[in-house]
Amino acid sequence: DTAVSQTPKYLVTQMGNDKSIKCEQNLGHDTMYWYKQDSKKFLKIMFSYNNKELIINETVPNRFSPKSPDKAHLNLHINSLELGDSAVYFCASSQDWGGNYNEQFFGPGTRLTVL
Amino acid sequence: AQSVTQLGSHVSVSEGALVLLRCNYSSSVPPYLFWYVQYPNQGLQLLLKYTTGATLVKGINGFEAEFKKSETSFHLTKPSAHMSDAAEYFCAVSDRRNYGGSQGNLIFGKGTKLSVKP
Repeated sequence: DTAVSQTPKYLVTQMGNDKSIKCEQNLGHDTMYWYKQDSKKFLKIMFSYNNKELIINETVPNRFSPKSPDKAHLNLHINSLELGDSAVYFCASSQDWGGNYNEQFFGPGTRLTVL
Repeated sequence: AQSVTQLGSHVSVSEGALVLLRCNYSSSVPPYLFWYVQYPNQGLQLLLKYTTGATLVKGINGFEAEFKKSETSFHLTKPSAHMSDAAEYFCAVSDRRNYGGSQGNLIFGKGTKLSVKP
């Protein structure tokens, strides 16, 4: 049973397209996150979401938007893709706000390549 | 604001040797500190964490870390490296937006790649 799953695992697309990455967690957690890992392995928080409260990293372009249809899902939508969006995107979840002291559980990642 | 510095982007040890991965942090509030491991083509997995209490924290796979407030450090160690320890290791500090509150995210260091030679 996968705790945090993401689809697709790989995503190759053209500049200017709009794409989505899905994330689901079956842990019953309250909080979900999206991270971006660049080619140098640097991890940056993009969004965190808990019970309709969304915290946005101010450096994230507004072309990126998370959408949560229910507590178990936090999908990432990206409009007008750019070359610089190429990265690995990780979804994560935790019980309550994970930055406090709770462990975050990570998905396997989605490798996005923009051509 | 909180930040994390990991000294050494790449550490190479021989199998059976001591593993020492360095992490220093900056935090305006008492920190919550974490070590995560990332195996190739996988997500991150928690190794250990420090919140309060005992400053020597034991984690999975024989790893441990010691919180030293005076040195603002949280170095990760393992007495004897195994080939299976080869991975990327990330130190992280919680971004506790409201001290005493519940919100917060993880601020990660840039990672240290551990190689283990036979």
